[in-house]
Amino acid sequence: GIQVEQSPPDLILQEGANSTLRCNFSDSVNNLQWFHQNPWGQLINLFYIPSGTKQNGRLSATTVATERYSLLYISSSQTTDSGVYFCAVEPYSGAGSYQLTFGKGTKLSVIP
Amino acid sequence: GAVVSQHPSWVICKSGTSVKIECRSLDFQATTMFWYRQFPKQSLMLMATSNEGSKATYEQGVEKDKFLINHASLTLSTLTVTSAHPEDSSFYICSARRGSNTGELFFGEGSRLTVL
Repeated sequence: GIQVEQSPPDLILQEGANSTLRCNFSDSVNNLQWFHQNPWGQLINLFYIPSGTKQNGRLSATTVATERYSLLYISSSQTTDSGVYFCAVEPYSGAGSYQLTFGKGTKLSVIP
Repeated sequence: GAVVSQHPSWVICKSGTSVKIECRSLDFQATTMFWYRQFPKQSLMLMATSNEGSKATYEQGVEKDKFLINHASLTLSTLTVTSAHPEDSSFYICSARRGSNTGELFFGEGSRLTVL
């Protein structure tokens, strides 16, 4: 099956710093999503981005489908950004399975 | 606001009992829902695909007789953990696609099961 690798596995930032999280995937995809898992376990949708660039406030994401990677940018980080960030992909298929394969996540800790 | 809701959020049960977890799509119909499982400090793993009006499709290694899935309506899927054992303790999360013209999936709040 498709492999999804996220880096770095852990990241510690001073409040106000910027960061880039990376997601590499081993095959073509129909769908790519970024999530933030909060301390209570809920997955918050950040971006639905099978290709291209999107921005939402301090967050932005870019997916280069032809090179099989996606980047999540966090600017001016805040303590509330702490948590685990997951990249998840749906392997390419004609019909669309909508089944996501998750990476192992990046654990972000933002310290005051 | 939330588009997928799960209940209960937390459940503690004795070994040997069965536990039912509900997943509801809010304000939209979902012909397909997905059940994932997450162990502590690990990633999410797809357990099964729940199809309205038909049998669920289970991933390899997932016991269909232990994890019973019923998708009886377009807004409700249930996961029943039968004869639960401590090794079934985990975080169970469901997801659904809101609308037929998008592949974006939304997840419920999750249900944390502890089997004593």
